[in-house]
Amino acid sequence: RKEVEQDPGPFNVPEGATVAFNCTYSNSASQSFFWYRQDCRKEPKLLMSVYSSGNEDGRFTAQLNRASQYISLLIRDSKLSDSATYLCVVNGGGFQKLVFGTGTRLLVSP
Amino acid sequence: EAGVTQFPSHSVIEKGQTVTLRCDPISGHDNLYWYRRVMGKEIKFLLHFVKESKQDESGMPNNRFLAERTGGTYSTLKVQPAELEDSGVYFCASSRGPGGAGVYEQYFGPGTRLTVT
Repeated sequence: RKEVEQDPGPFNVPEGATVAFNCTYSNSASQSFFWYRQDCRKEPKLLMSVYSSGNEDGRFTAQLNRASQYISLLIRDSKLSDSATYLCVVNGGGFQKLVFGTGTRLLVSP
Repeated sequence: EAGVTQFPSHSVIEKGQTVTLRCDPISGHDNLYWYRRVMGKEIKFLLHFVKESKQDESGMPNNRFLAERTGGTYSTLKVQPAELEDSGVYFCASSRGPGGAGVYEQYFGPGTRLTVT
């Protein structure tokens, strides 16, 4: 079983739609949680850290459920430029090393 | 502020040769990390430096891989001798230190695409 599980997609949505991605992690000792965005053949770029209370950054909202070991990302009013792969990332249980999911691909169409 | 830089961007070598990858972290970042993505797989951790010291090298695949960070600035990752399965994209990342809620936010370089033929 992978440490971080994500639906690979792709999720095909029209511009303006709301889309949600989910992720589960297996290491209950993980303390830090992130969503990264990766464009084709580029490096991962930090989208947002995910805090226990949940957090919002513009059109993006992240939620964390420690009891269920579940992380979510909600994107509202999707833009064409949101098309990318979204990586769910957790730290490796008290260490700084990051453990990556395989990513969820999002395609936003006109 | 300049981001993480890596050199070279691409490298094609033959099996058995040696390759050295370089990473320059964001200025002032004491923490430096190496990761690797092989084709079709997720990005995986290789090792972590705090300044010049190896904090965690649990992800290093074998002793053909040698990472250094002399002086606590830039880092090199040497693969000697390279094997076919070493092909992939090698990313470097850096972080300043614990931010809000003790979180170390890591910023990634553009990666080095290594092809071993």
